[in-house]
Amino acid sequence: DIVLTQSPDSLAVSLGERATINCKSSQSILYNPKNKNYLAWYQQRPGQPPKLLIYWASTRESGVPDRFSGSGSGTDFTLTISSLQPEDVASYYCQQYYNTPHTFGQGTRLEIK
Amino acid sequence: QVTLRESGPALVRPTQTLTLTCSFSGFSLTTSEMSIGWIRQPPGKALEWLAVIDWENYDYFTPSLKSRLTISKDTSKNQVLLTMANMDPVDTATYYCARGRGSGSYYFDTWGRGILVTVSS
Repeated sequence: DIVLTQSPDSLAVSLGERATINCKSSQSILYNPKNKNYLAWYQQRPGQPPKLLIYWASTRESGVPDRFSGSGSGTDFTLTISSLQPEDVASYYCQQYYNTPHTFGQGTRLEIK
Repeated sequence: QVTLRESGPALVRPTQTLTLTCSFSGFSLTTSEMSIGWIRQPPGKALEWLAVIDWENYDYFTPSLKSRLTISKDTSKNQVLLTMANMDPVDTATYYCARGRGSGSYYFDTWGRGILVTVSS
């Protein structure tokens, strides 16, 4: 199985500041013939199901605010929230869909400082 | 509008078989590059990918649970069923179904609200 390791496990950021979450894969999830990284990011607010934010490592899902961005390639990926808003308090998960099982990272809890 | 809803028992006894139903609307599982997946989340813990069935009826399972899982679809009813045999208290979790997009590799663009299943005698 591909193992995804997120860092940090938890993060406290002031409102309006930048938040950065990392996701490292145990093997490359870049499919070279298509030049696509098979990585998605999800947001899970307390008591809610996960919500898709980013897929193909950097493509924002329709309706997702542009303060959310994804970057990285191969084995190292980053989710960035450019200016933290109160509604961004949540847990964030990365997921690889390169090989089954399509594993998730352990999650990062984001709070307001 | 795409919606999914999980249904099934809230309480299961150890050794019993769990059967969950995902009822969906707003799309067809006969459309190319569509799939339905099941994911679970123990209380306070991370998401765990369980299984997927796609528009071509291919299915995939997480290896650690493959011997206990079956997945099937009824396209006429817009439903996907997941069964998990020999339930144990460690299987206590919220079980989600979600729509997958892609061909052979799926990210989940829409999720159900989830159903909490407790395994206890």
